Amino acid sequence: QVQLVQSGAEVKKPGASVRISCTASGYVFNNFFMHWVRQSPGKGLEWMGIINPISGSPTYAQKFQGRVTMTADTSTSTVSMELSSLSSDDTAIYFCARDGAARGYSYGSLDSWGQGTLVTVSS
Amino acid sequence: QSVLTQPPSASGTPGQRVTISCSGSKSNIGTNTVNWYQQLPGTAPKLLIYSDNRRPSGVPDRFSGSKSGTSASLAISGLQSEDEADYYCAAWDDSLNGRGVFGGGTKLTVL
Repeated sequence: QVQLVQSGAEVKKPGASVRISCTASGYVFNNFFMHWVRQSPGKGLEWMGIINPISGSPTYAQKFQGRVTMTADTSTSTVSMELSSLSSDDTAIYFCARDGAARGYSYGSLDSWGQGTLVTVSS
Repeated sequence: QSVLTQPPSASGTPGQRVTISCSGSKSNIGTNTVNWYQQLPGTAPKLLIYSDNRRPSGVPDRFSGSKSGTSASLAISGLQSEDEADYYCAAWDDSLNGRGVFGGGTKLTVL
């Protein structure tokens, strides 16, 4: 079965960077794009970006341009997301989620999700 | 403020039919398909509807989606207590070189 396993919770100080990993199993990693979505406490979902695991080419939400870096390692079936210059506004749960287009779903339909990684930014 | 607009709350009694609306614009719902997600408390979202009205395998046919112009709706018939959750609509938006956009979410309460 498809599994996306994310790295553990992080506590960071303002101005620092955080790197979250997401390791996939149960499917052909190269065939599916991966998204990152975050959810601030008590708030809704916010799309951060998408990465093509074969080319490594990312597309970022304008809000995070210059602050986010998404990478993919096909040898370990892992995608990573690094967010820099953290502030308290970045305190959130971060999810990786697979794009279902390669299985016949529509592009942008997120058919499998990681368990989420809580990032707390506090001085 | 979310790009897609949803009512913050909805409610119904067991067995009832409820609908949740999602309003967008030409660049998102008007051009691309709509997806719906269900998020139970403390869990990751789950894909409920894709391509406006298609259900992934395992999703009960009590859940259905529709779209007209720049608006979409999720309908839940035969409401059950376990349907109490947050529901989000989402779509691809062709502005700003392409981006994913979500609604603000609707908290469904089963009375």
